[in-house]
Amino acid sequence: QKEVEQNSGPLSVPEGAIASLNCTYSDRVSQSFFWYRQYSGKSPELIMSIYSNGDKEDGRFTAQLNKASQYVSLLIRDSQPSDSATYLCAVNAIQGGKLIFGQGTELSVKP
Amino acid sequence: GAGVSQTPSNKVTEKGKYVELRCDPISGHTALYWYRQSLGQGPEFLIYFQGTGAADDSGLPNDRFFAVRPEGSVSTLKIQRTERGDSAVYLCASSTTDREQFFGPGTRLTVL
Repeated sequence: QKEVEQNSGPLSVPEGAIASLNCTYSDRVSQSFFWYRQYSGKSPELIMSIYSNGDKEDGRFTAQLNKASQYVSLLIRDSQPSDSATYLCAVNAIQGGKLIFGQGTELSVKP
Repeated sequence: GAGVSQTPSNKVTEKGKYVELRCDPISGHTALYWYRQSLGQGPEFLIYFQGTGAADDSGLPNDRFFAVRPEGSVSTLKIQRTERGDSAVYLCASSTTDREQFFGPGTRLTVL
């Protein structure tokens, strides 16, 4: 079992729809959770971080964390073609330590 | 402000050669991380520095890989006797909060 698992996709949604990206992790002591966006040929860009159970909203993005279920998700509202990218889930077990990444979910937003 | 910078952006070398990859973190960031990413995969951790010392080098694949950060700022990742399997994008990240890590543009290493 991989430490951080994501559906590789591709996930295709129409413009204006809600895109839902999911991630599960295996280490129960994980403390910090991150979503990175990576455009083709570029490096990962941090878009959301979440540290406690519940929802965290930032503009069109909402991160949701459920530690009991070891599950973290990212919702993108009003999806735009410019949101088309690979979304990486990353988990940190020790504050300041290494990030463990999932393989990423490719999102395609169709005009 | 300036982000994480990495040089070179691309490096092509021959099997068996030695390479050095450089990372310049965001000013004031005490933590520096090296990852590498192969096509279609998420980044894979290599080594983490807190200040000048390596706090965690558990991701270095073998003793051909070595990294230094002598003054607690710029870091160099060194790969000896390169192999074709070392071909990947090498990413550097830095952090000040001990939580959020910010990535540089990466160095694409190709070993022929």
